[in-house]
Amino acid sequence: KQEVTQIPAALSVPEGENLVLNCSFTDSAIYNLQWFRQDPGKGLTSLLLIQSSQREQTSGRLNASLDKSSGRSTLYIAASQPGDSATYLCAVGQGGGSNYKLTFGKGTLLTVNP
Amino acid sequence: GAVVSQHPSRVICKSGTSVKIECRSLDFQATTMFWYRQFPKQSLMLMATSNEGSKATYEQGVEKDKFLINHASLTLSTLTVTSAHPEDSSFYICSARDPLWQGSSYNSPLHFGNGTRLTVT
Repeated sequence: KQEVTQIPAALSVPEGENLVLNCSFTDSAIYNLQWFRQDPGKGLTSLLLIQSSQREQTSGRLNASLDKSSGRSTLYIAASQPGDSATYLCAVGQGGGSNYKLTFGKGTLLTVNP
Repeated sequence: GAVVSQHPSRVICKSGTSVKIECRSLDFQATTMFWYRQFPKQSLMLMATSNEGSKATYEQGVEKDKFLINHASLTLSTLTVTSAHPEDSSFYICSARDPLWQGSSYNSPLHFGNGTRLTVT
């Protein structure tokens, strides 16, 4: 059974800092890994999707890496801003066709202080 | 981009009543939608996969008679929590695959609704 762990559970940083969020998973047989942002009481916004054959993806100030063999992914946020404050979720996709499903971690609650 | 709309955003109901949650894909067709549940400080857990025109596929441990899923059209899936109890209080959220994804469908990013906060008193 796939288990996804995110460390740290919570992180508070001053504005402008670069930071790294960590995600690990127990079963490396994945199709992809996706990072999401969730604002309080809201749905999820997809940030980055990394295919199993890829090593990293970048979007603006965000960079996500994937080391499938070791079961790890990191989300790097450069020059953090108060608007980045949210919960960041990591999810791995497995199973082919109609069996495809995402397994989520519990998230990292990020607070960026002005 | 693809938008998934979920309604209502919040609902409070009395124990024993039923509650229906709607999930709509706006401006695109979604043959498959996914329903998740999230308890406070916990992961999102997949409840079921909703397939248009056929029966939903439920995850292990999810009671199909309690959580009724109907995917009657290509743009609408509904989740009905029947005979709700306080332990059903949770955040329910639906998602659909990106319709513009060019690769294999199983690799498609998912677009999520804004969720429904259900409180059963």
